[in-house]
Amino acid sequence: AQSVSQHNHHVILSEAASLELGCNYSYGGTVNLFWYVQYPGQHLQLLLKYFSGDPLVKGIKGFEAEFIKSKFSFNLRKPSVQWSDTAEYFCAVNAGGTSYGKLTFGQGTILTVHP
Amino acid sequence: GAGVSQSPSNKVTEKGKDVELRCDPISGHTALYWYRQSLGQGLEFLIYFQGNSAPDKSGLPSDRFSAERTGGSVSTLTIQRTQQEDSAVYLCASSSQGSTEAFFGQGTRLTVV
Repeated sequence: AQSVSQHNHHVILSEAASLELGCNYSYGGTVNLFWYVQYPGQHLQLLLKYFSGDPLVKGIKGFEAEFIKSKFSFNLRKPSVQWSDTAEYFCAVNAGGTSYGKLTFGQGTILTVHP
Repeated sequence: GAGVSQSPSNKVTEKGKDVELRCDPISGHTALYWYRQSLGQGLEFLIYFQGNSAPDKSGLPSDRFSAERTGGSVSTLTIQRTQQEDSAVYLCASSSQGSTEAFFGQGTRLTVV
């Protein structure tokens, strides 16, 4: 069975600091990888996704993530965070080769950005 | 509609009662998913619909949980004889044919007292 591990439960940063949130998955086959964000009081929104090709993917709001197959990792990065990035971030995996979007999620990382 | 709509947004029920949660997916989306978000368990997959069929219901935690989808659109998740451990946020998502990118609703927060 697939599993996803997010390294940090709660990250606290000041504005303009750099961000890296870790995500590792366990699944031996091809995977599709996602990062979702949930802002306070809002629904889950897709930040970025990786299916194939360039392992460095760029998403909305200046976020990017790098797929490192040998490390089974898909870490999320942002060079300079803003107060508005305060949210909970979820890494998710879908087994590649399936025709539907069943996702296995990590436990989530709460990001708090102080102005 | 423009997004996935779920109702009610909040539901408080007494232990032992049955509840129905509703999901209205994005128009034209053939795939529909239910997830549960609870403290300590994170986000868990419950069931997947393609049209009105449920080819994957592997995440339903017990036979008290059931779901149906009619007309390839609205879905209801029913929990019978609710227990306190059923308290969670129930999320619905939908995606278009053949896509693995899911769009989520706001969720229904269920509290069993």
